[in-house]
Amino acid sequence: QSVLTQPPSVSAAPGQKVTISCSGSSSNIGNNYVSWYQQLPGTAPKLLIYENNKRPSGIPDRFSGSKSGTSATLGITGLQTGDEADYYCGTWDSSLSAGGVFGGGTKLTVL
Amino acid sequence: QITLKESGPTLVKPTQTLTLTCTFSGFSLSTSGVGVGWIRQPPGKALEWLALIYWDDDKRYSPSLKSRLTITKDTSKNQVVLTMTNMDPVDTATYYCAHILPKLGTVDYWGQGTLVTVSS
Repeated sequence: QSVLTQPPSVSAAPGQKVTISCSGSSSNIGNNYVSWYQQLPGTAPKLLIYENNKRPSGIPDRFSGSKSGTSATLGITGLQTGDEADYYCGTWDSSLSAGGVFGGGTKLTVL
Repeated sequence: QITLKESGPTLVKPTQTLTLTCTFSGFSLSTSGVGVGWIRQPPGKALEWLALIYWDDDKRYSPSLKSRLTITKDTSKNQVVLTMTNMDPVDTATYYCAHILPKLGTVDYWGQGTLVTVSS
């Protein structure tokens, strides 16, 4: 069971907007930056959002991130069929010696 | 341009020790503020942190796997090595190495991953 909690799946039609939540605690999300990763089928994860709401170069502004307290949210607007993927949130956890923790992942289906 | 690539066996037997090497380019692990980590993903399952090593040789391990893991670095070769002892079929997974920015708590570059199957 993952330290961070995400919904197993979300779906929406092309062109629509979707949000994916990530819930944690004060030892992880509450006191650390949150990142979001996109994993297309059969590929390695890719960084989408870092420092809660910043996008690396090359990531379109259709992707956005926010954080409030011990939860974070990934938003995707103007959905495209190419956005179908698994999305993971991640952060540090000060209570764990490993440092990093991930959510269980959310499968996005673009209907 | 930062790249990382994992190498090692694709098949190991139960109870054996797995040794994976991450060879990277585009950065130095002697640069302050940099880390390299290992993350794995069983087929159809979520990502799981295993271990990471910082530029100053500080090391962190997954609490549940700490007794089985060792991470080391060879700065001159631009390599990080992960060993995992007493392999079990449940350890079957794709193993990724990754470039980490500890202050931001983020993994900004990932290797392509290597699938390791544990079976007799």
